[in-house]
Amino acid sequence: AQTVTQSQPEMSVQEAETVTLSCTYDTSESDYYLFWYKQPPSRQMILVIRQEAYKQQNATENRFSVNFQKAAKSFSLKISDSQLGDAAMYFCAYRSVNGNQFYFGTGTSLTVIP
Amino acid sequence: DVKVTQSSRYLVKRTGEKVFLECVQDMDHENMFWYRQDPGLGLRLIYFSYDVKMKEKGDIPEGYSVSREKKERFSLILESASTNQTSMYLCASSYIQGHQPQHFGDGTRLSIL
Repeated sequence: AQTVTQSQPEMSVQEAETVTLSCTYDTSESDYYLFWYKQPPSRQMILVIRQEAYKQQNATENRFSVNFQKAAKSFSLKISDSQLGDAAMYFCAYRSVNGNQFYFGTGTSLTVIP
Repeated sequence: DVKVTQSSRYLVKRTGEKVFLECVQDMDHENMFWYRQDPGLGLRLIYFSYDVKMKEKGDIPEGYSVSREKKERFSLILESASTNQTSMYLCASSYIQGHQPQHFGDGTRLSIL
């Protein structure tokens, strides 16, 4: 089974600053999908951004972007101009092209300081 | 809009009870999943289903069973609840295609006394 590692249990950032959350994964597959999910306190988990492994271009969604390093098996999330509403638990996830299962990291709790 | 609905946000049960957690999705997703979420452990897969009446064990199936009689509904059953099953339970669903993300319900916080 694939493993996904988030080595930062907690992170903090000043409002309006930029923060990067780390994620690494282990796989022998050449094609797969990677996702970042956000879980605000007591609220539903939602998709933030996704990346297809065959695409070299890093995905971007407004203030959220990824740094995808396929050879290093690294998939970090950058949040620019951090807002109070960005405070949440963030999970990195992996999915095979032909697989049904998602593999999640243990999460990073992000605090935004006013 | 995508909707995954879990029957309860909070539930309190007693040790030894049989507990049912229900999940319904309205997107015609083939796949449905049950996770438990504990601090420091992230999401751990209990069971998933890729079709009606089909199920696959996840990482921690012991003490749980599931039922999928209809495509839109996936039930998690705690056969005889124990205190170590106190946790947050998340239901999710997805299309079968690999690039499709999971969609999650609001979660059920289950306490076993």
